Amino acid sequence: DAKTTQPNSMESNEEEPVHLPCNHSTISGTDYIHWYRQLPSQGPEYVIHGLTSNVNNRMASLAIAEDRKSSTLILHRATLRDAAVYYCILRARNAGGTSYGKLTFGQGTILTVHP
Amino acid sequence: NAGVTQTPKFQVLKTGQSMTLQCAQDMNHEYMSWYRQDPGMGLRLIHYSVGAGITDQGEVPNGYNVSRSTTEDFPLRLLSAAPSQTSVYFCASSYGIMRRSSGNTIYFGEGSWLTVV
Repeated sequence: DAKTTQPNSMESNEEEPVHLPCNHSTISGTDYIHWYRQLPSQGPEYVIHGLTSNVNNRMASLAIAEDRKSSTLILHRATLRDAAVYYCILRARNAGGTSYGKLTFGQGTILTVHP
Repeated sequence: NAGVTQTPKFQVLKTGQSMTLQCAQDMNHEYMSWYRQDPGMGLRLIHYSVGAGITDQGEVPNGYNVSRSTTEDFPLRLLSAAPSQTSVYFCASSYGIMRRSSGNTIYFGEGSWLTVV
């Protein structure tokens, strides 16, 4: 799977929007962009995913650049509960319609939310 | 629907002992994997499987064995525990056949905290 690059850490104030960037310049046309977050002492949990168009769900929004070489996870109003490590990964779609292969996570972005 | 279940949650081993971390999923997922996470670090892939009878190595496979005899189970075996294997271990699973609606969401277990003394 292609690599992603994220800032090591970001900070935000409570109730403010947060934009978490991810660069994936080697993304292929069939790679899905996934975001996960890991709260302290827990396993990672799914946040959102997308392919080409921007996506919204109850947790967040995902903005995907037109060339798909970068994406941004948007938390519209950060809460203290959003303090976590956020991971951006790419999920490849192979020619046979499968999504196998090594799934590697980078260091992620540590998000700190201040009251 | 229990999702991904890992056992045990906590374990202390002596150097040289062997043990098996269990992982089971009830979602009929083809893809299963094991990660380890050291303090303050990201997740590192140990081994993964794309279906029953098929396994492959990840980034840090040394000292670990896996097998996949059924779709549901993917145990991780520590052959001779070493202090360097002190870590938190996460099992994960997902569909292998790409599903546009889910994009093959990855589901993680709650983790197994292992200390080797």
